[in-house]
Amino acid sequence: AQTVTQSQPEMSVQEAETVTLSCTYDTSESNYYLFWYKQPPSRQMILVIRQEAYKQQNATENRFSVNFQKAAKSFSLKISDSQLGDTAMYFCASGLTSQTGANNLFFGTGTRLTVIP
Amino acid sequence: EPEVTQTPSHQVTQMGQEVILRCVPISNHLYFYWYRQILGQKVEFLVSFYNNEISEKSEIFDDQFSVERPDGSNFTLKIRSTKLEDSAMYFCASSGTGNSGRAWYEQYFGPGTRLTVT
Repeated sequence: AQTVTQSQPEMSVQEAETVTLSCTYDTSESNYYLFWYKQPPSRQMILVIRQEAYKQQNATENRFSVNFQKAAKSFSLKISDSQLGDTAMYFCASGLTSQTGANNLFFGTGTRLTVIP
Repeated sequence: EPEVTQTPSHQVTQMGQEVILRCVPISNHLYFYWYRQILGQKVEFLVSFYNNEISEKSEIFDDQFSVERPDGSNFTLKIRSTKLEDSAMYFCASSGTGNSGRAWYEQYFGPGTRLTVT
């Protein structure tokens, strides 16, 4: 199993501002994947962004970007131009690929983000 | 965009009863997963399934749990004798061939089944 730690239980940000959510992970594997998922009140899990560990370039997806520091095992999420619809629980997850190719996800405890109008 | 569906959306059962949670993964996907989320807690991996057998399972997935793909479309999670602590949201997910612009390892999650054991 892999351990994922999110040290910020709750955060808030003003609309249109930028916020960064922290995540660290622990793995002995060399090939793994990292993800940020958003969970709104509906509790649906929505993939926000992904990063392959073998890629040095940080992933970006519109207003969302990551700061991937492999040596430090850190994977933070930056949300720019925050919008009210970004209010949700955000989970960091690490994917460990098995011999069959299944990519089992291990999640952190989440950060509740509130965007303030 | 294709989606994973789950039924029912909410299941209430009495302790000791058997429940079956149903999922219809994306049709051309190869890997299937179950996760659970106890209210207010993190999402936990239960089991992964590939080629009609379990790929991996967590410590949570004990003998009370089983999974099955009874036909070409459904993927089920059975809890034989439910306990109060089984109350949680259960998510099904699938991943596979990398169509629709997604990487093969990206998982599509269903909307979840909320299981309440009384």
